[in-house]
Amino acid sequence: QKEVEQNSGPLSVPEGAIASLNCTYSDRGSQSFFWYRQYSGKSPELIMFIYSNGDKEDGRFTAQLNKASQYVSLLIRDSQPSDSATYLCAVVASGGSYIPTFGRGTSLIVHP
Amino acid sequence: DTEVTQTPKHLVMGMTNKKSLKCEQHMGHRAMYWYKQKAKKPPELMFVYSYEKLSINESVPSRFSPECPNSSLLNLHLHALQPEDSALYLCASSRQDSNTEAFFGQGTRLTVV
Repeated sequence: QKEVEQNSGPLSVPEGAIASLNCTYSDRGSQSFFWYRQYSGKSPELIMFIYSNGDKEDGRFTAQLNKASQYVSLLIRDSQPSDSATYLCAVVASGGSYIPTFGRGTSLIVHP
Repeated sequence: DTEVTQTPKHLVMGMTNKKSLKCEQHMGHRAMYWYKQKAKKPPELMFVYSYEKLSINESVPSRFSPECPNSSLLNLHLHALQPEDSALYLCASSRQDSNTEAFFGQGTRLTVV
């Protein structure tokens, strides 16, 4: 059973702070890692993807991947109230798969 | 164009009704998915179509019947649903390689009464 684990939260941070969201996965051979943002009642929206160890930055978002530790994280700098949402980690496993497995999601609350 | 279009956005149906959910994409993706999502839960995979053929059925009850008429369209036929089937139904599509993201439609909010 390939698993993707996230703390459900909520994670509460003040406006302007850095929000750090974490995800671990069980399949050591996993290849692709995605972060989706989902507002309440809406569909998931892709915000970041990462394939290689290290950091990947896109605006206020940074994805960090450590395959040795089977850990992927998402940092949101200068958090805004509009960032309040559930963040879903998705992982594509090894073995020729293309189907993402989702974690349970972390609820982020950014308070003014 | 990275759009996946789902219709209808909202659907209320009785337990004896037959209805269909529709999904369309024009990104040339050959993998299409149906997910079910309950409140405060992650999306739960139901079906995967690969090149218009059903490749994965995650033990979904037969009252849900998927159909892929062509490479751009995906339907989910609903019949004799139960109130516990009320959920957000999400369609997604992707290329068939590991380094590709899945794009989601806006979802259909289904209520079974």
